[in-house]
Formats: sequence, C-alpha cells, structure tokens
Amino acid sequence: GDSVTQMEGPVTLSEEACLTINCTYTATGYPSLFWYVQYPGEGLQLLLKATKADDKGSNKGFEATYRKETTSFHLEKGSVQVSDSAVYFCALSDPGGDDKIIFGKGTRLHILP
Amino acid sequence: EAEVAQSPRYKITEKSQAVAFWCDPISGHATLYWYRQILGQGPELLVQFQDESVVDDSQLPKDRFSAERLKGVDSTLKIQPAELGDSAMYLCASSYGQGTDGSPLHFGNGTRLTVT
Repeated sequence: GDSVTQMEGPVTLSEEACLTINCTYTATGYPSLFWYVQYPGEGLQLLLKATKADDKGSNKGFEATYRKETTSFHLEKGSVQVSDSAVYFCALSDPGGDDKIIFGKGTRLHILP
Repeated sequence: EAEVAQSPRYKITEKSQAVAFWCDPISGHATLYWYRQILGQGPELLVQFQDESVVDDSQLPKDRFSAERLKGVDSTLKIQPAELGDSAMYLCASSYGQGTDGSPLHFGNGTRLTVT
C-alpha cells in the first residue's frame, strides 16, 4: 500500500540556518503531495502542496518540489525563524492507489534564537 | 477565515466509561474526517464521511467506536467503553472536495483524550 517516510526528529537549528526535511513516498498511482504544519496546541494546517511531477509548492518561505524520479518531496527553507518551530507532516493522497490521505510520522523542528 | 470547530478541547475519563466528541466542519465542506493522533505519530484516519454517508471506516474499531453525521453537517464520534490505549488526540478535518482529488484538509484544534 501507499506510504510516506520522513526523517526522524527532532531537528534543532539556529535562527537563520537552512532547513531541509526529507520526505519520500510509495504510491501506486499518481499522488498529490502535501506538507502540513502543526504548531503547539493546534491542529494541522496546510503549508504547501504539489499535484503533479516537477511542480513546486511554496508558502511562507518554504518550498518543496515533487520529484517523481526519486519519489521525494523534501521541504526546504533558506533561513528559518524561531516562529517556524513546529511539527511538520508530509502527506500524500493517491486516488489511483489506497484512495485515502496518508500522513508521515512528523518531524519536530526546534529553532534556537 | 472559517474554522473547523471541535469540542471538548480536553477530556479525561475512566476506562470503561463512554465518551463523545463533536465536530462542526467549515460550511459547505461535504467531506468530513475523524483522525486519531497518538503522541509522536502522524494522524491515522478513523472514518471519512461524504455528506451523511460513510466512505471509509476500515480503520475504525467498530466494537467500541461509532461515528455519525446525521444531517451531513456536524458529526459525533463516540467511544464506549473507553480503554487506556484510546488516550490520544482526536482530530476532525473537512474538505471541499474528496481530499484525494488534491483538496486540502482543514483541521480543528482537536480533542485530547486521557483515559485513566
């Protein structure tokens, strides 16, 4: 079945450092890919998405490119802020496969001032 | 911006008791989801509704969990009897489309359940 694998956390960085959180997926069909963010005490909220190969999703300085050849959707940001501290979830939806939205286990990010 | 409303925010109950959670999705969203999120894990789908109909409840432990969305708007998730292993965050989400069509999910803030 479909699956999403994210890098283990927690990830601790200093403010203004570069961020990459790795995400790879397994899917039967042609999935849409998402990054969701969960701030402390809150529900998940969509950060960005990409619906087909080579698409780049971007929001709030974060970017991720849908790489079909490597089945990856890594999250990147050039300069992180303390306010970016949260848990980040990679997810996919695959109508041609399991036909449900599947989330990774999440990566906790700590940004130090 | 419209939000998904959930209540209660926190619930502590003793094992073998009954507990219920309520969710009001964003107006106009036909699809409603209940997820369970264990600490340190990603959300796992329990049940998905399209309007008032159940689309997927394959991961719902039906011997103790039930969910309904009678008028295709708000929804209730019930656990009876609660077990210690049910302690988790229960998240409700809604989407305009069916989710697997690429429509983003909008999540509520969740209900944190502790079973003692």
